[in-house]
Amino acid sequence: EDQVTQSPEALRLQEGESSSLNCSYTVSGLRGLFWYRQDPGKGPEFLFTLYSAGEEKEKERLKATLTKKESFLHITAPKPEDSATYLCAVQSAGGTSYGKLTFGQGTILTVHP
Amino acid sequence: DADVTQTPRNRITKTGKRIMLECSQTKGHDRMYWYRQDPGLGLRLIYYSFDVKDINKGEISDGYSVSRQAQAKFSLSLESAIPNQTALYFCATSDPGQGPETQYFGPGTRLLVL
Repeated sequence: EDQVTQSPEALRLQEGESSSLNCSYTVSGLRGLFWYRQDPGKGPEFLFTLYSAGEEKEKERLKATLTKKESFLHITAPKPEDSATYLCAVQSAGGTSYGKLTFGQGTILTVHP
Repeated sequence: DADVTQTPRNRITKTGKRIMLECSQTKGHDRMYWYRQDPGLGLRLIYYSFDVKDINKGEISDGYSVSRQAQAKFSLSLESAIPNQTALYFCATSDPGQGPETQYFGPGTRLLVL
């Protein structure tokens, strides 16, 4: 059974204070690992897809990296508007015929001015 | 305009009532999904559909039914609502391909069952 664990559950940063969010996973063959951002009361917004260990992707102040067991979402010099819940999900390559996503619980990021 | 829309955005209903949540998409994707989100439990899959004639149960389908009226429309029904179905409901779409299959989510429906 695919599993995703995100840590920490909540992270409070000062504006400009860089940090990282962790996503540990177990999956029977990784088809893809996804990062989403979710604002309160809204749907998850797609950020990145990673599928190969060593892969990195960047978008503004965010950079996602991938190893065989975990992914990190690095936030460089965050701003208050980066405050949100960040969700990690994995998609297995085997056993299912559809793009089933297994989600972690999310990390609630709060950036104070 | 949003690619994936959901109606209503908020709904309050009473125990035992039948309600329908609707999802429409303009992304042209064949695959559509219904999820519910509860605090501390994350996103869980209720039903998914590959096309109009292919509908499948997800991990928590009891108490729910769906209808795929067209490629662009996928509805979720609660036949007899109960309070523990109070949650945020999300529709998502995806397009199958060779590599990772990204799902795109709608804005959600907040449902309260009294």
